[in-house]
Amino acid sequence: DTTVKQNPRYKLARVGKPVNLICSQTMNHDTMYWYQKKPNQAPKLLLFYYDKILNREADTFEKFQSSRPNNSFCSLYIGSAGLEYSAMYLCASSREGASAETLYFGSGTRLTVL
Amino acid sequence: QQQVRQSPQSLTVWEGETAILNCSYEDSTFDYFPWYHQFPGESPALLIAIRPVSNKKEDGRFTIFFNKREKKFSLHIADSQPGDSATYFCAVMSNYNVLYFGSGTKLTVEP
Repeated sequence: DTTVKQNPRYKLARVGKPVNLICSQTMNHDTMYWYQKKPNQAPKLLLFYYDKILNREADTFEKFQSSRPNNSFCSLYIGSAGLEYSAMYLCASSREGASAETLYFGSGTRLTVL
Repeated sequence: QQQVRQSPQSLTVWEGETAILNCSYEDSTFDYFPWYHQFPGESPALLIAIRPVSNKKEDGRFTIFFNKREKKFSLHIADSQPGDSATYFCAVMSNYNVLYFGSGTKLTVEP
């Protein structure tokens, strides 16, 4: 099973309110990623966990938080949503070894901030 | 974070033609170059990938051409079929298996 699950599929949030998105995988993958996708733009890497180590991209460092309480689960947290956070959020995972380069994506959570 | 540039933004070809999608990058330390495709309502999925030790990788009707000197790579889809209609993303991989994606090409294959 190469499934990455994301919940919820759609999320509505108010400006200034917090948002928490959830991702899980049962493939025992070492690395989990969060990407932000806006229309006609590239999926933008926000952060990733390699095992328990969190790496955040420099330009989104202060905007997003994450936690990974166990190997299977990873969340993305926005402390105070702004209109610019409206986007599709894609979670992905990958494993070490021969197929380390392949990312397996979830179906995404579409966040709309009003 | 624009590590890779992709063109065209959209492409329409007739069934049976060859579709050509292009990407370029700047950082010569990248060492893995995949293409992902995404069908409407689905997640992106790996289609084909190449490492710089080769300048060509084929998988059925899909071929990557890689030019290390010019830092360019392209995806050729031969004998395009309507079922190939999707958005295609090129990507480059840095350390820690981190992928940076291009902005995507929406391919439409007309019957």
